[in-house]
Amino acid sequence: DTEVTQTPKHLVMGMTNKKSLKCEQHMGHRAMYWYKQKAKKPPELMFVYSYEKLSINESVPSRFSPECPNSSLLNLHLHALQPEDSALYLCASSQDFLVTGELFFGEGSRLTVL
Amino acid sequence: KNQVEQSPQSLIILEGKNCTLQCNYTVSPFSNLRWYKQDTGRGPVSLTIMTFSENTKSNGRYTATLDADTKQSSLHITASQLSDSASYICVVGGSNYQLIWGAGTKLIIKP
Repeated sequence: DTEVTQTPKHLVMGMTNKKSLKCEQHMGHRAMYWYKQKAKKPPELMFVYSYEKLSINESVPSRFSPECPNSSLLNLHLHALQPEDSALYLCASSQDFLVTGELFFGEGSRLTVL
Repeated sequence: KNQVEQSPQSLIILEGKNCTLQCNYTVSPFSNLRWYKQDTGRGPVSLTIMTFSENTKSNGRYTATLDADTKQSSLHITASQLSDSASYICVVGGSNYQLIWGAGTKLIIKP
């Protein structure tokens, strides 16, 4: 199983809503990532979890709150988002948190903030 | 400043033809160079990863080359298929966790 599964595939939310994006992998990977991708741009790193601990937060606004309940799951909690947060949110995993490791990406969650 | 530049920005070719995409980088220290394929609205899929000591790597009809001296890489696609239409992104691994992403080349294959 070399899959990273993301749900939901599409999400529409208002600026006052609270929602969550979910990511799951069963490859035994110890590093998991959240990326944000705007149209026609490369993905931008948001957060990195290594061994279930937050290792990197790329100065992401607090309206995005990551959570890693266990080594297979990664959540991104969303609250009070802005329309400019509309984007494709990608989850990825790798064997460990090293730049040498291959990244496996999920299909993404397309978020629209109204 | 660490940078990855790709050319061309976009490319249209006929089905069955070959093409080559270019990637120039100024990343130090250099760890590895990756090529990803990304269909519109979907997650990137890894095609190849090359380290400093590797100068060519193949994955089916995709062949990547790396010249660490000139800091250039290319991705050659042989006998293109309609399903090859996608964005191809060059990514260079730097220090620690750094991955520097290029802007991508949008490839369109026409029947």
